[in-house]
Amino acid sequence: EIVMTQSPATLSVSPGERVTLSCRASESVSSRLAWYQQKPGQAPRLLIYGASSRATGIPGRFSASGSGTEFTLTISSLQSDDFAIYYCQQYKNWPPMYTFGQGTRLEIK
Amino acid sequence: EVQLVESGGGLIHPGESLRLSCAASGFSFSSYWMAWLRRAPGKGLEWVASIKQDGGETFYMDSVKGRFTISRDNARNSLFLQINSLRAEDTGVYFCAREDHSTYVFWGQGTLVTVSS
Repeated sequence: EIVMTQSPATLSVSPGERVTLSCRASESVSSRLAWYQQKPGQAPRLLIYGASSRATGIPGRFSASGSGTEFTLTISSLQSDDFAIYYCQQYKNWPPMYTFGQGTRLEIK
Repeated sequence: EVQLVESGGGLIHPGESLRLSCAASGFSFSSYWMAWLRRAPGKGLEWVASIKQDGGETFYMDSVKGRFTISRDNARNSLFLQINSLRAEDTGVYFCAREDHSTYVFWGQGTLVTVSS
């Protein structure tokens, strides 16, 4: 099983700040990496697929990069709507054994 | 508009069984892989199982193999998850989702399964 490790677990930031979240895979997943946002009581929302491609309707302040084992998600100027939990997901395996990171919680400072 | 609506969750004793359902609408259900995922309290998201368009292939996470069965009824645009021998660690919100190239754009709102004696 590919283990996904996200850091930090919690990040306290102020609106308007730039923030970078990290995700590391225990082995290479190439660019088969997605990022999701989840708010309390809601379903997750796909932000990024293919390590760096924004999903439909995702604002430009969200960007992502990386390949292999190291990935980052950057939010250029945090808005109040962005405080949530962010998960990375690898989808390299076939047959599927997709795994998620444990999440990074973005809190208002 | 794509809609996925789960049902069937509840409070269940350890060792008992449960069947979750997901009603799909707004897209050609029989054309897509579908999946169940869950979020356990204090834990992150977990992919649980996936099923091919015709139901001919199914895949499971290791900890549920032999206990969970994913199935679908394309005539009724419905996805199911039969959960047997429930354990406390199966507690969580279960989501059905449409699989798009191994990622998940469309999700239901989830159904809560609580396993407790």
